[in-house]
Amino acid sequence: DADVTQTPRNRITKTGKRIMLECSQTKGHDRMYWYRQDPGLGLRLIYYSFDVKDINKGEISDGYSVSRQAQAKFSLSLESAIPNQTALYFCATSDVGQGFGDEQFFGPGTRLTVL
Amino acid sequence: GNSVTQMEGPVTLSEEAFLTINCTYTATGYPSLFWYVQYPGEGLQLLLKATKADDKGSNKGFEATYRKETTSFHLEKGSVQVSDSAVYFCALLNYGGATNKLIFGTGTLLAVQP
Repeated sequence: DADVTQTPRNRITKTGKRIMLECSQTKGHDRMYWYRQDPGLGLRLIYYSFDVKDINKGEISDGYSVSRQAQAKFSLSLESAIPNQTALYFCATSDVGQGFGDEQFFGPGTRLTVL
Repeated sequence: GNSVTQMEGPVTLSEEAFLTINCTYTATGYPSLFWYVQYPGEGLQLLLKATKADDKGSNKGFEATYRKETTSFHLEKGSVQVSDSAVYFCALLNYGGATNKLIFGTGTLLAVQP
């Protein structure tokens, strides 16, 4: 079984709709992240959480919100989806306290299309 | 600020050819450097890493050396296979206090033809 899972894997929605993307992990990691991937732009950080009580904005948080329901679950919401939020979204996790070179483990991605 | 620049793709090679994907970075301090690989339809996987100057990361026949003097971390493989076809991302992590945020390059698509 995959260590980091994302649901749904694909979603098509309309402008103005509220969308939630979910991420679950069985790695026991405290740190979780949401990225979006756009062609030619690489991955950009949306939000990150270092534990259940900690939520931080990344470089492109406008139009998004998150919820850390438990150590293992981190959800990303688009309150009112717009077409330029069409992208591939990745969840990632990492462990704490490994010092330099901490590895992040990525889920398989959610492809979101906003019409 | 921190940034990563990598060569644009796509890079198209024949099987058994030599591969180089260039990556340079800008950072304060002493970042750790990574190469991640994304196979079609999958998430990113760590390919290799280096945490200090002159370190060489290696995995699956790929290598990259952390060159502080040229701020580079070029990815190389002596003989590519069709199964190496993927998108490759260079990334840096400037570890400072509580932060653990990866800065990614834009990715380079590698297509290996039989």
